[in-house]
Order: sequence, then structure tokens, then C-alpha cells
Amino acid sequence: DAGVIQSPRHEVTEMGQEVTLRCKPISGHNSLFWYRQTMMRGLELLIYFNNNVPIDDSGMPEDRFSAKMPNASFSTLKIQPSEPRDSAVYFCASSFDRGEKLFFGSGTQLSVL
Amino acid sequence: GNSVTQMEGPVTLSEEAFLTINCTYTATGYPSLFWYVQYPGEGLQLLLKATKADDKGSNKGFEATYRKETTSFHLEKGSVQVSDSAVYFCALSDRGQKLVFGQGTRLTINP
Repeated sequence: DAGVIQSPRHEVTEMGQEVTLRCKPISGHNSLFWYRQTMMRGLELLIYFNNNVPIDDSGMPEDRFSAKMPNASFSTLKIQPSEPRDSAVYFCASSFDRGEKLFFGSGTQLSVL
Repeated sequence: GNSVTQMEGPVTLSEEAFLTINCTYTATGYPSLFWYVQYPGEGLQLLLKATKADDKGSNKGFEATYRKETTSFHLEKGSVQVSDSAVYFCALSDRGQKLVFGQGTRLTINP
């Protein structure tokens, strides 16, 4: 298996632009998680899906952030409009059992100028 | 609510030194406990786990014992290598619910 695949690996954009991060979970996994990692705040859970349904989005910072999972093999995290404080590494992770053993992607390094 | 508290980093050791990274937890039930490791430029990966009191998880020379009486799950390794340099995260999952991570401890091993 190729593991959790995230794209792009790096994204540099200007403030106010829309950013879309993509994730392909491991085939057969039924839970998907989006995390954000910064030096100041550490690792934060933004949202997680179970069987393509959002279960807990309490970590989504504000309305500028949205996430979708249209099918079992694809999810997006969108930021519109982006701000410099959104600069971080965004990780997608998947699991079969709702959250014990997570498999993480390599992350997307987002820089908003 | 459930929470995990880890030893503040960064931790810097010489090669072959003994490592301990402290982790304590608060949980309402009987959680499973985990250590995840993040190597530079990568996502987190599971290092070891323990699912009940007195269980010992082990992997790659690392060990951690689930201590219910002290609500702890300290990570240990007898002789660290430069390749162990990474960020280590303690985590818990209570009755199959989402993982709760600690803040991470950055470990640097000097040759």
C-alpha cells in the first residue's frame, strides 16, 4: 500500500487566496483526520470523518476553513481566504478503527505571505 | 476531559545515553496509551502502545509501561542512537474515541 497520500507537498500563496489541500487515505480505512502543526500550538485536530461523515469539527478555527470527504478515497481541506497565521504543516491521517492506530501522510507545508 | 501532559523539551543527549521522556495522563475511563514518533520532514508514526494497566509496549528498543496507579506511560530506551533524533508524542484513546496527543518532546542525540 502507498500509505496516506497528501498533495501538494508544499504550497506558497498570498494572503486572500484560496488554498485547497488534498488527501487520499489508505484503502479500507474508514476514518480520516485533518491535523495542523505549528511550533506555537503543537499538533491540533481540525476535523475528523468516519465513513465519509464529519463527526467532530470543533477544531476548525473559523468559517474560513472547510473540509469535505465526497467518497472513501478522497478528502479536501479548503481555506478561503487564507491569512498569514494559517501558515503551518497540515497533516492528513487515516485509520480503520476510528482513532487508535493512525497512519499519517507526509504533510503539506503551507506558507501564506 | 481527557488530556496528556509530556515532559517539556527539547531534550539533548549523547549517543548511548539512557533516555526517559515522561508522560502522564488524565482520563475518565480506561484508555489505551500510545507513543508516536515524528522524524524530520515526515508525519507521525506509531511507535508502541499499551491497552491495559501493567502492559508494556515495546518497539525498536523503546519501552513504556502503563502505570494506572501513577497515571503514567513514560518512554525509555537504554542506549539511544543519532537516528532516534525526532519528536515524540504521547497519546491516549478512551474507549475507541479519537486520539488525544500531548504537546510533543523534541529529542536530539549528538554523536
